Amino acid sequence: KAGVTQTPRYLIKTRGQQVTLSCSPISGHRSVSWYQQTPGQGLQFLFEYFSETQRNKGNFPGRFSGRQFSNSRSEMNVSTLELGDSALYLCASSLGDRSSTNEKLFFGSGTQLSVL
Amino acid sequence: GNSVTQMEGPVTLSEEAFLTINCTYTATGYPSLFWYVQYPGEGLQLLLKATKADDKGSNKGFEATYRKETTSFHLEKGSVQVSDSAVYFCALRGSNYQLIWGAGTKLIIKP
Repeated sequence: KAGVTQTPRYLIKTRGQQVTLSCSPISGHRSVSWYQQTPGQGLQFLFEYFSETQRNKGNFPGRFSGRQFSNSRSEMNVSTLELGDSALYLCASSLGDRSSTNEKLFFGSGTQLSVL
Repeated sequence: GNSVTQMEGPVTLSEEAFLTINCTYTATGYPSLFWYVQYPGEGLQLLLKATKADDKGSNKGFEATYRKETTSFHLEKGSVQVSDSAVYFCALRGSNYQLIWGAGTKLIIKP
């Protein structure tokens, strides 16, 4: 079974541009969540999509948005990039079962975004 | 709100040493607790988890016990190997289903 695939692996953008990151979950998984990882702030939750609907959202500005397609693939978009958006962006997939809080997440290797 | 505090690194040990990485949490209700590991150049992997008080999660020689009375979930291993060098993250998920992460602890094992 293929794992979680994130593309591209590396991205270099300049301030003011926009960027789209892609995440393909494990087959059969309906939930995709996104995280930002930086040396200063650590890991922070961005949002979660389940069955094409945003189900949960962290505390990020509206420049950060996402969507999920009918095949569960997800994209994350950041508009008007700022220097502080430089980070490793991780996505994780899961079945999306909310009968308990202990569901395992499967992570991709991430997209390293550098904003110059 | 919910939060996780874990010991700062890096933690440097010699091979076969005993490892403890401290993790304490603040949460309402009864969250699930996790340890994830991130090897260099890779994404995060679940190492172990525990769902309720006194549960012990274990995997690959690592153990952690859910201690409600001390709100802790310390990670331990009796004898570390060079291959255990990685960054370890403690995390919790409560009733809002958001994963809240600790800052991560970098572990360096020297042969």
